[in-house]
Amino acid sequence: EADIYQTPRYLVIGTGKKITLECSQTMGHDKMYWYQQDPGMELHLIHYSYGVNSTEKGDLSSESTVSRIRTEHFPLTLESARPSHTSQYLCASSDRQGWTDTQYFGPGTRLTVL
Amino acid sequence: SQQGEEDPQALSIQEGENATMNCSYKTSINNLQWYRQNSGRGLVHLILIRSNEREKHSGRLRVTLDTSKKSSSLLITASRAADTASYFCATDGAQKLVFGQGTRLTINP
Repeated sequence: EADIYQTPRYLVIGTGKKITLECSQTMGHDKMYWYQQDPGMELHLIHYSYGVNSTEKGDLSSESTVSRIRTEHFPLTLESARPSHTSQYLCASSDRQGWTDTQYFGPGTRLTVL
Repeated sequence: SQQGEEDPQALSIQEGENATMNCSYKTSINNLQWYRQNSGRGLVHLILIRSNEREKHSGRLRVTLDTSKKSSSLLITASRAADTASYFCATDGAQKLVFGQGTRLTINP
């Protein structure tokens, strides 16, 4: 099991609410990622970070934002949730700067927006 | 369009049989990885094969890579009920790790 944690595991909220999905890793990895995955579908990269104070957008446009103030913490925030945001959100980390290295995933947060 | 595509999309076999999944990709790569995802969980890395390697083993897993055909296969031998999961290939050819849609494997007792 990788030392990467996500909370909450499940979240059901109403439209318009602000939410923050938490992701923490204890492996000291510099690079961290957020993916969005619909059931039975591929993963889409929505945000990534090379290290502290670094954040980049991925290949899938997302209304969410991220921050990286500490190496171990990479939270994702939705200012105003909508039903279209319903999905599973997976956080991952890797220990090198390249894209080619093994990624370690958290258990995911399944978000449902009513 | 996505870089990696798995085939078949779903596979159901009896316990003890071998399972083979295939992955095709479009552009040149440095390496290719396979991951497993149990229902409702995150992905777990299984094996990485570099572009200059043709075959790699890890326990009951065997991965092959044919860069001329831009394809890879994952073989799981002597399958067990615990192997039931979705299996994804991931390639790095587009300056990012790109995952396919996965193969959903079901092992029947």
